[in-house]
Amino acid sequence: DVKVTQSSRYLVKRTGEKVFLECVQDMDHENMFWYRQDPGLGLRLIYFSYDVKMKEKGDIPEGYSVSREKKERFSLILESASTNQTSMYLCASSLIPGGSYYYFGQGTRLTVV
Amino acid sequence: TQLLEQSPQFLSIQEGENLTVYCNSSSVFSSLQWYRQEPGEGPVLLVTVVTGGEVKKLKRLTFQFGDARKDSSLHITAAQPGDTGLYLCARGSNYQLIWGAGTKLIIKP
Repeated sequence: DVKVTQSSRYLVKRTGEKVFLECVQDMDHENMFWYRQDPGLGLRLIYFSYDVKMKEKGDIPEGYSVSREKKERFSLILESASTNQTSMYLCASSLIPGGSYYYFGQGTRLTVV
Repeated sequence: TQLLEQSPQFLSIQEGENLTVYCNSSSVFSSLQWYRQEPGEGPVLLVTVVTGGEVKKLKRLTFQFGDARKDSSLHITAAQPGDTGLYLCARGSNYQLIWGAGTKLIIKP
């Protein structure tokens, strides 16, 4: 059974904290993605990576960074959390970006207070 | 970004009723994916449609890809409470998927 696992389901952090969201996949996929999901706005792409140590900005990268040191792991970093980053964060992986279906993790609901 | 518009945004119906939700674009796309996202979970792929006019069935769910490949629909027959969730459509574009905002479906027992 293929899996994308996110390290936390729920997180509460204070404004200004550095936040790490971890994602691990076991499918040997080269492509991994971080989205945030807000009501009425759908899924918005923050960053994606098509290979180890490679990263590309998505539609809303401001305030975020990413790290991909190993193929199976893709981390999202909020350098200094702000209340407008309160959201559901979803990690996904795929064999072919945009050309095959995506496997998603269970999501991390982050609240910044 | 070429948008995908989903309608309705929200639908609440009684168990046993039929419903249709839509996914539309102003441009042609080569394929379309439908996902369902249950509360507190990530989206899960239901189906991919690739050929204009294609119809795919998944138990009580029927997916149709428009002849012109600019639109798609999802029809659910005799909806069940287990069908409750957010239904998302997505199309490929360059190196990513473009997502619709989703239809939130609630089936009341």
